[in-house]
Amino acid sequence: QKEVEQDPGPLSVPEGAIVSLNCTYSNSAFQYFMWYRQYSRKGPELLMYTYSSGNKEDGRFTAQVDKSSKYISLFIRDSQPSDSATYLCAMSADNFNKFYFGSGTKLNVKP
Amino acid sequence: EAQVTQNPRYLITVTGKKLTVTCSQNMNHEYMSWYRQDPGLGLRQIYYSMNVEVTDKGDVPEGYKVSRKEKRNFPLILESPSPNQTSLYFCASSLGLVSEQFFGPGTRLTVL
Repeated sequence: QKEVEQDPGPLSVPEGAIVSLNCTYSNSAFQYFMWYRQYSRKGPELLMYTYSSGNKEDGRFTAQVDKSSKYISLFIRDSQPSDSATYLCAMSADNFNKFYFGSGTKLNVKP
Repeated sequence: EAQVTQNPRYLITVTGKKLTVTCSQNMNHEYMSWYRQDPGLGLRQIYYSMNVEVTDKGDVPEGYKVSRKEKRNFPLILESPSPNQTSLYFCASSLGLVSEQFFGPGTRLTVL
């Protein structure tokens, strides 16, 4: 079983839609949860970072962590064509040395 | 400009011919890491380094070597490349614990 599971998509939505991206994980030691965005032919860039459970909001983006269900989500409100990219979740345990990434969900926001 | 650079960006080589992919960062970051990205498998960590002369294995270290002799550089060495090492490789760096990783532009390696 992979440490982190993520639906690869692709996910296609109209501009302005609310997008929900999700990951599940198996290692209960994970404490740090991140979402990265990767445009085609580029390296990933950090979008959101949360520690332990709870919600975090940054502009149009909201990250949620439910440790009891081993489930994390990223919500994008009022999605824009510029949000079209691959979104990767990533996790790490307390020592924060090893990172585990999901396989990425490809999102396409149509104008 | 703060950045992580990788060279070469593209490389085609043959089985068994030793190669090195260089990685350099100008942000004085303590932590550096190498990943490979394959379709359907996402990013997998190969090796990481918490500081000079301190390295440790990630999830998929077999067939790779690294060294960290200077803070800014973290080369990835393939002593005897094989076709299953054909992949897109990313180097990343961060200040340290609980800190954003900055990724390089990637190196696309093909081993024939």
